Amino acid sequence: NAGVMQNPRHLVRRRGQEARLRCSPMKGHSHVYWYRQLPEEGLKFMVYLQKENIIDESGMPKERFSAEFPKEGPSILRIQQVVRGDSAAYFCASSPTGTGENSPLHFGNGTRLTVT
Amino acid sequence: SQELEQSPQSLIVQEGKNLTINCTSSKTLYGLYWYKQKYGEGLIFLMMLQKGGEEKSHEKITAKLDEKKQQSSLHITASQPSHAGIYLCGAREGTASKLTFGTGTRLQVTL
Repeated sequence: NAGVMQNPRHLVRRRGQEARLRCSPMKGHSHVYWYRQLPEEGLKFMVYLQKENIIDESGMPKERFSAEFPKEGPSILRIQQVVRGDSAAYFCASSPTGTGENSPLHFGNGTRLTVT
Repeated sequence: SQELEQSPQSLIVQEGKNLTINCTSSKTLYGLYWYKQKYGEGLIFLMMLQKGGEEKSHEKITAKLDEKKQQSSLHITASQPSHAGIYLCGAREGTASKLTFGTGTRLQVTL
């Protein structure tokens, strides 16, 4: 019974490059959430997606960041032209249901992005 | 937007001692979730509280929800080194699906 799978675990990018972070939700889960955890800071919500739809992107920076959750395959968080301030741990979580239901979120082990 | 404040921010206790972590919300709580995070790893779901006055226990960890005070507490009895980590409370705002998290409480357990 695999949990939420994120890869890669560690990612190093030079300034200006692109970073792609992948997340496969738990089996049977169709709701995916991305969070960012900066050093010594809390966990901040970025975006919430269902299959092929972005439901809530209120926490996403307006530029350079995008997310998708295609019908087939993992959810992808994409960061274009990375800057040092993007260095953080990015966590993905999934749940079987969404709005109005009190199901907990199940988290992956995160991708630690380092921008040099 | 909802804010969750946790206290204390960090805690060092001797093995065998009891401890309590608090989580206070700026808005009405519609369910409160407790998670634990070990360094370099993801969040592990501990417990979910939905109703005022609700209390749940898992092994040596007990969580309570005081809806009127918009507050939850997490109590660990007879702490062990395995309890060390960062404890985070999370809550939903209204009917939103996303969870907003507190800043966390870092727990160290000394021998």
